[in-house]
This record gives sequence, structure tokens and C-alpha cells, in this order.
Amino acid sequence: DTGVSQNPRHKITKRGQNVTFRCDPISEHNRLYWYRQTLGQGPEFLTYFQNEAQLEKSRLLSDRFSAERPKGSFSTLEIQRTEQGDSAMYLCASSPSGRGPGPGELFFGEGSRLTVL
Amino acid sequence: TQLLEQSPQFLSIQEGENLTVYCNSSSVFSSLQWYRQEPGEGPVLLVTVVTGGEVKKLKRLTFQFGDARKDSSLHITAAQPGDTGLYLCAGESYNTDKLIFGTGTRLQVFP
Repeated sequence: DTGVSQNPRHKITKRGQNVTFRCDPISEHNRLYWYRQTLGQGPEFLTYFQNEAQLEKSRLLSDRFSAERPKGSFSTLEIQRTEQGDSAMYLCASSPSGRGPGPGELFFGEGSRLTVL
Repeated sequence: TQLLEQSPQFLSIQEGENLTVYCNSSSVFSSLQWYRQEPGEGPVLLVTVVTGGEVKKLKRLTFQFGDARKDSSLHITAAQPGDTGLYLCAGESYNTDKLIFGTGTRLQVFP
């Protein structure tokens, strides 16, 4: 399967702990996006990368959240000192660039569901 | 903060009925996409509309982009249980590389 892969699929943690999610995009895609989604709502933009450069980060994103894409391939999203309000599905998506401005179609992974107790 | 409001939020109908989902914003978008998401999966693209007033058809689904490029609608004819899912519109703004998603419409079609 050559789609977007996310790990782990599910994570249960206690408040105050750190968690890290990994995303492996489609190999030829150089744009990578992180979104957060709560039940029944639309995905909320968190951040995105063009290759290894983090080009935009949501102003709503707490400084407890950090994302990296060190070699322009896979990406990690770390949440430090988790809070119950961080419980959500964390979605990763990738898209190719070079077809004109804008992201075009986003190809999503199945998400990583976080539950903070 | 979501810039795209979808209505209705929930829709529960019988197989064979028709329905329309609306996506509205005060912002102008360069293009608008519609996605469908099933439980436990990521959203999957259905269609992209680019030109104001554009209408696109995908089998029983008809998508329209408003003339002012601020709103869009999705009409489903003769809904089937397989249409069940979360429908999301997503706007692409000028001079940005991110998609802003709407609030979502959860559709349940009963046999």
C-alpha cells in the first residue's frame, strides 16, 4: 500500500505525559499537513511542511505542540504535557506540488486517535 | 476558527430521498473541494470546483460553486445507504497552501 501511513492508530495517555505521532506521506509528495479533528467536526488545520520547511503553523496551536519533518520525508507531531482537551483524532495528509498554486487534493491517512485521561 | 459553515449539521433520511448540503462563508475562495469521510478513515476527495457558477456531476451527486465563490452546495439524488458518512467542504484561499475545512454534515441513509 502506497498511501499515507500514520502511527500509532490509537494512543491512550495520562494527563501530563508527552506523546508523539508519526506520519509517512506518499513518497513523491513534498507537501505534508497536520490537522486535528474532534468527533463529528471538520478537520482543523495545525501546520504544514513543504519538504523539510515548516511554512505555516496555526495561531491556535499551543507551544506544547511541535512538528518536524527533518529529511523532507516522514513527519512527527509531538504534544508535551498533554491535557484532556488534546483528545482528538490527529490527521496527516500529503499532496504533490508543482501543479500550480494551492495544495490541490489532499491525501489523508487514517489518523491517530489520542485519548487523554 | 472555522470559516466555512455547513448546514445541516446532521441529516437522517430514508433510501431514495433527495438531499442538499450547503457550505457557506463570508470569504472568497480560489477553489472549493468536497470530501467524504467514513468512520475510522481519513477524508477522501469527491470533487474540486474552481470557477464561479461551476456545476459538476458525479453519478447521483451534483456540486455547485457559487457565483461569488463564497459558497457551494452538494445535492444527492435518490440517496443510498452507501452514501452514509461525514461530508466536508474545504476552501482553498488565494496566496495560501492550506485547506480550510467546513464544520461537516453527517448523513445517515436508512434502507
